[in-house]
Order: sequence, then structure tokens, then C-alpha cells
Amino acid sequence: ELKVEQNPLFLSMQEGKNYTIYCNYSTTSDRLYWYRQDPGKSLESLFVLLSNGAVKQEGRLMASLDTKARLSTLHITAAVHDLSATYFCAVPDTGTASKLTFGTGTRLQVTL
Amino acid sequence: DAEITQSPRHKITETGRQVTLACHQTWNHNNMFWYRQDLGHGLRLIHYSYGVQDTNKGEVSDGYSVSRSNTEDLPLTLESAASSQTSVYFCASSEGGANTGELFFGEGSRLTVL
Repeated sequence: ELKVEQNPLFLSMQEGKNYTIYCNYSTTSDRLYWYRQDPGKSLESLFVLLSNGAVKQEGRLMASLDTKARLSTLHITAAVHDLSATYFCAVPDTGTASKLTFGTGTRLQVTL
Repeated sequence: DAEITQSPRHKITETGRQVTLACHQTWNHNNMFWYRQDLGHGLRLIHYSYGVQDTNKGEVSDGYSVSRSNTEDLPLTLESAASSQTSVYFCASSEGGANTGELFFGEGSRLTVL
């Protein structure tokens, strides 16, 4: 059974600081997805990582995938308050492209 | 613009009642999914469909059913609502075949079972 674990579950950081969220998964997968969710809102796709070594960047967020280590990281550079949200990683079940198992999420709070 | 819409957005019902949550997508996606979101559990898959007349059980399917009679719609039915089914429900869709597998989500339906 596929398990997806994120850490930390909660992260409070000051504006301007850097930090990394980790996503580990238990079975082989060559792809991984990151989503953002604002309170009371839906999930918004951030990054689609489709191969080992894939790196994607958007503004202050950078995501990477190491399929050998079954690990993805979401790095936050010089955090700003607007990045406060919950971030989820998701991995497809073995043999499927679309049936995703989600981590429990990392709630990020950026304080002024 | 293509989109995925859920209705109702908020519903309060009583234990034992049947409830149906609607999901309609205009992406023309083959794949559709229902997830529930609860604090501490992230998103858990209830049911999914890879095309018309295809339905499959997910991780937490007990007490729920779906049907897929066309490409656009995947309604979720709670046969006899229970308080444990109080949750936020998200519908999502994705392309089929050799694609990225990226999911596109609806706005969610908040269900309260009293």
C-alpha cells in the first residue's frame, strides 16, 4: 500500500527566511505532484514532476524529485506572507498515472 | 474556459438521509475522482472513474456510491448519511491515456450530517 508522508506537518517561519518541506513515499513512482490549498479553498496545482532529477521553479518555490530516494522537496526562498497556505504532495499508485495518494499536508504560516 | 463545478457547495442533512453531491466538468476528461478531506487525514480517495460506465472503489468507499453515465458528470451518493461522513468533498478530473496525470479540482462541497 502506497504511503505518502510529509514533514513537517506545521511550519511557522518569518518573512525572508528559507525552508524546505519534505515528501517521502513508499513505492516506486517516476512522478510526483505538489498542490497548494488556501483556507476554505480548493487545491491548486503547483508543480508536476515527471522524472528523476526533475526540478521546477515558480517564484520563491522550487520543487525537486529524487525517485531513487523516493523523496521530493519543496524549497521556499525568502518567504513572504502570501505563501501562507497548506501544501500537499501526491504520488500516483503503481501502474496508474492519475490515481493519486496525497500526503497529509504541511501547513505553512509566514509571519511578518 | 473549461472548469469543474460541484453542487451544492454547502449542505446540512440528517442522519439516515440519502444525499447526492454533483460534479460536472467541461474539460472532456476521461478520469474523474471523489476525495474527502478531514483534518489530520489529508485527502482520501472515495471512488473514481476512468470513463463512461466505469467506476472503482477507493480507500474509503463504504457508504458511498457513484455512477458514470456520461463523460461530464460523476455524482456521489451517500446512501444513508452518517455523522462520520461530515467532511469536505472534492471532485477532481484528469485526462486519460499517456498524460501528466495532473488533477484539476472543483471548489468543494461541505457536508454536515447532524
